[in-house]
Amino acid sequence: AQSVTQLGSHVSVSEGALVLLRCNYSSSVPPYLFWYVQYPNQGLQLLLKYTTGATLVKGINGFEAEFKKSETSFHLTKPSAHMSDAAEYFCAVRYGSSNTGKLIFGQGTTLQVKP
Amino acid sequence: DAGVTQSPTHLIKTRGQHVTLRCSPISGHKSVSWYQQVLGQGPQFIFQYYEKEERGRGNFPDRFSARQFPNYSSELNVNALLLGDSALYLCASSYETAGANVLTFGAGSRLTVL
Repeated sequence: AQSVTQLGSHVSVSEGALVLLRCNYSSSVPPYLFWYVQYPNQGLQLLLKYTTGATLVKGINGFEAEFKKSETSFHLTKPSAHMSDAAEYFCAVRYGSSNTGKLIFGQGTTLQVKP
Repeated sequence: DAGVTQSPTHLIKTRGQHVTLRCSPISGHKSVSWYQQVLGQGPQFIFQYYEKEERGRGNFPDRFSARQFPNYSSELNVNALLLGDSALYLCASSYETAGANVLTFGAGSRLTVL
């Protein structure tokens, strides 16, 4: 079955430290890949997406992600964490064979940023 | 420009009751999708509608139904509510459906079933 795995339900970093949130998907066929962020009591906001082309994708708020086909991964990084980055982060995939807009989400990773 | 709007934002129901949740997409978007987000989990796909026709259905029982109106707004209906239906229900709109199309989410309707 198609699935998305986010390693680590909680990640804690100090302000100014590197943020690394891990995402792996389960298919040999490259899907479309997305990272969303959810702040408390809000909906999901798109951070970035990978479709085709350059494997390093830059998003909003200084985040970027790298698509690695050989590792079936799409990890999210930010060089320097800010207190405002504290939120829930979701990796999601849409497979090209799907004729619907169905996104398959991971379980989410809560990012805590310590002062 | 207004984003995706959902109503109501919060509601409390009792087991066995019926609920209707509403969604207005971004102007110009023809597709609406519904997702259920149980506390501590990622969103799960329920339905997608495009141009008033159902394009996809997730693994949810027949108690869940939806429709899309000519103005592209949508309703999600849930009958015979169970405690396990307590969740945040998210609506997302997009111009088209598949491929690299980006979903824009609303803030959700939080349903509590007692």
